[in-house]
Parts: sequence; structure tokens; C-alpha cells
Amino acid sequence: GAGVSQSPRYKVAKRGQDVALRCDPISGHVSLFWYQQALGQGPEFLTYFQNEAQLDKSGLPSDRFFAERPEGSVSTLKIQRTQQEDSAVYLCASSLGSGGAQETQYFGPGTRLLVL
Amino acid sequence: RKEVEQDPGPFNVPEGATVAFNCTYSNSASQSFFWYRQDCRKEPKLLMSVYSSGNEDGRFTAQLNRASQYISLLIRDSKLSDSATYLCVVNRTTDSWGKFQFGAGTQVVVTP
Repeated sequence: GAGVSQSPRYKVAKRGQDVALRCDPISGHVSLFWYQQALGQGPEFLTYFQNEAQLDKSGLPSDRFFAERPEGSVSTLKIQRTQQEDSAVYLCASSLGSGGAQETQYFGPGTRLLVL
Repeated sequence: RKEVEQDPGPFNVPEGATVAFNCTYSNSASQSFFWYRQDCRKEPKLLMSVYSSGNEDGRFTAQLNRASQYISLLIRDSKLSDSATYLCVVNRTTDSWGKFQFGAGTQVVVTP
């Protein structure tokens, strides 16, 4: 079946612009995660959803970052007033159950954001 | 200090040789461990989970040492297609779910 998809794959924004990144998880997956991956680093956790509930947003770097999953499937990560330090790859992952310690997370191809 | 640390490499490995590398983690409450593989400009993909007794999947062997808080990955009979960055992932249960902590990755380059 289809994997996790993300759009757009690439986004160039001018500093100060707002951007919206979309994630379509694997159908039926309960848990959805957003990660930020800077060049040469491993992914860093941003936020976690279980169905439509955002259970953990401790990794969001500032109040300019906002995520939602209103119907428990597609999720959007929004970044307001983008800054150059927001330039990174934003990865979405989903897992079948409630995101327990043993669960495999399946990653999408990511959105490469470049803020000029 | 980062929660999950890896030697960034690169490990330059002749085709057919064996390579091994470790990952250390700082949180003793960590519950589960994984190795993910990430090719250049691609998403991470699960390589294997790491179990307490150690486990093997074809040419890949993973070990966990809870006392010293590290996991290892060994690749035998390296293939050119094994060239990638290997991400160590540690997961600890927080409330009702586990949170992935990634290392920065170990780069492996297999040469002809």
C-alpha cells in the first residue's frame, strides 16, 4: 500500500513568510509524528498526535510553529514568520498503534524548507 | 551532552569487509532501540530493531549492552549498496507513548 506522503517536497520562502507543510500518513495509522532534521544531524522530535489529539508538542521550537490533525488523518505543520534558522528537512512519520516504545515509525520523504 | 551519541565517521569499508560501530545513550530508562538507515536526501527507513539478547538479520547483527548503555551494529560482507548513514534510535516510554531520540548518524562508505 501507499506509504507516508508529504507535500510540497521543496519549499523556498522569504524570511517572514508563513508556510504550511502537509503530511498524509499511512491509512489507518493512529499515531503521527513531526520531526525536524538539520543538515548533518539526526531528526529531532517536534510533536506527536494520537488520532486528532496532540499529546506532545514539547519539541516545537517556538510559538511560531503550529501543528494540527483535525480529522485524525492528514496533518499540517505551519510555520509563521519564517526565519533562516527554520531551514531544514521536515519529516513526518506514522505508526499503526498508539506510538508505544516498540512501535516502528514509517517516515515520509520530507519537505525541504529553505528560508532566504 | 546529547542523549544519543554516534561516531559520525565516515567509515570507509572495502567491499566484502566487516564494519562495526556503536551508539551510546544516556537515559537508563530507555525501553527500546532501533537502527534506521538513511540514504542521501532520503527518509530514514527501519533497518532493524535491537533486542536484549542481540539479533541478526542476514548480514546485519545488532547488540544491546544495557549495563554500559550502548548498542552496536555490525555489517558483514559489505556491499556497495550498504553505503548510507546509519541512525541509532532510542525510545523511552513517556506517559502513554514512546518518544524517538535519534543520534546524528554514522556514515558508512563501501568502496569497490
